[in-house]
Amino acid sequence: SQTIHQWPATLVQPVGSPLSLECTVEGTSNPNLYWYRQAAGRGLQLLFYSVGIGQISSEVPQNLSASRPQDRQFILSSKKLLLSDSGFYLCAWTTQGVEAFFGQGTRLTVV
Amino acid sequence: GNSVTQMEGPVTLSEEAFLTINCTYTATGYPSLFWYVQYPGEGLQLLLKATKADDKGSNKGFEATYRKETTSFHLEKGSVQVSDSAVYFCALSGGYNKLIFGAGTRLAVHP
Repeated sequence: SQTIHQWPATLVQPVGSPLSLECTVEGTSNPNLYWYRQAAGRGLQLLFYSVGIGQISSEVPQNLSASRPQDRQFILSSKKLLLSDSGFYLCAWTTQGVEAFFGQGTRLTVV
Repeated sequence: GNSVTQMEGPVTLSEEAFLTINCTYTATGYPSLFWYVQYPGEGLQLLLKATKADDKGSNKGFEATYRKETTSFHLEKGSVQVSDSAVYFCALSGGYNKLIFGAGTRLAVHP
C-alpha cells in the first residue's frame, strides 16, 4: 500500500535560519507531489506542485523553494526564514485517481 | 478562476444532532469535489468525494451530493458524535489534481 512520510513533525527555527522539510512517498511511482501551507486559523494554500523529477511549479511568490531530486522525494526549502513563514506544512500526492493523500504535516514556528 | 466557499464556523452541536456544513464552488468545467477532515494536530484525511454531477459521496455516516445546478456540495450527517469534532474542508480538483480548498469549518460536538 502507498504511504507518505513527512518530517520533522514540529520545528522551531529562528528568523533568518535555513529550512529543509522532506517528504517521501512509498508504494507508487511517478506521483504528482504537492506542498500546501495552512496558516493559523486559515485554510490551505497550495505552494508548489511537481509532475516529475526536476519539474517544479510555484503557485504563489514567496520566500520558499521546492525541489524534487528523486521520483518519490519532495523537499521544501528556504535560505532565510521569515516570521510569516510560520504555519503547518503538508505534503500530498496523487496518481491516477483524483483524490490527494496527505502526510501528517510539519508545524513550523519561526521565532 | 476556481474557488470554494464554505460556511464559517465554529459549528457547535450536541451529540446526536443533525449536521449540515454548506459548500459552494465556482469552476470552469466539471471538477471533482471532496470533503477532507482534519483532527487536532494531524494532517488531512479524505472523508468523501464525488467525481460527477448527481454523484453522492458517503463515508462514516457523512454524505454529500454533487449538485451542478446549484454548484454545491453540502456535507450532512444525521447524528453527530463527540468523535466527529474536527475541522472540515471542502475542496475541488483543478488541473494536475491541484486542490483548491475552502477556509475550513470547525465542528465541536458536546456530550
